[in-house]
Amino acid sequence: AQKVTQAQTEISVVEKEDVTLDCVYETRDTTYYLFWYKQPPSGELVFLIRRNSFDEQNEISGRYSWNFQKSTSSFNFTITASQVVDSAVYFCALSEYNNNDMRFGAGTRLTVKP
Amino acid sequence: GAVVSQHPSRVICKSGTSVKIECRSLDFQATTMFWYRQFPKQSLMLMATSNEGSKATYEQGVEKDKFLINHASLTLSTLTVTSAHPEDSSFYICSAPDMYEQFFGPGTRLTVL
Repeated sequence: AQKVTQAQTEISVVEKEDVTLDCVYETRDTTYYLFWYKQPPSGELVFLIRRNSFDEQNEISGRYSWNFQKSTSSFNFTITASQVVDSAVYFCALSEYNNNDMRFGAGTRLTVKP
Repeated sequence: GAVVSQHPSRVICKSGTSVKIECRSLDFQATTMFWYRQFPKQSLMLMATSNEGSKATYEQGVEKDKFLINHASLTLSTLTVTSAHPEDSSFYICSAPDMYEQFFGPGTRLTVL
């Protein structure tokens, strides 16, 4: 069975600090997909990234970067030079190849203070 | 990108009434849709998989007689919360996959008084 663990329940940083959100996953499949979503107070999920299990390249998108390491089953997310608008709950999620349903981690509530 | 809509966005009802939530894929067909529930300050939990033309598949612990799912067409799935009680108050989110991605609706906030 698939499982996603986000050990950090809440993180608080001051604006312009870098912050890393951790995600550790478990799956028996060799083919799977990992995701990060942002959920602002409005509740709507904002898609950030999708990564398949065969692509271990790290990715950078503006101030966001992701570090995928199969050896440690981790898919960590770093925000560089954080901003107040980054304040939200961030979810890591896993979807196995043969199942389209997605399993979410518990989420990390990030607060960026001015 | 593909869009999934939900209606209503918010609903307040009295205990004992039934509430229907619609999930539509606006520009693609979805033979499968998923329903999630999110209690305050908690994660999204998969409730059920809605299958067009066949019965829904429910996750363990979810009462199928209480949460009725109908996937009547390739673009519409409905979730009916029957005889709602205050403990059913939650944020309900649907999603629909196409070949490459999972698209989430904006969610429906249900409050049962």
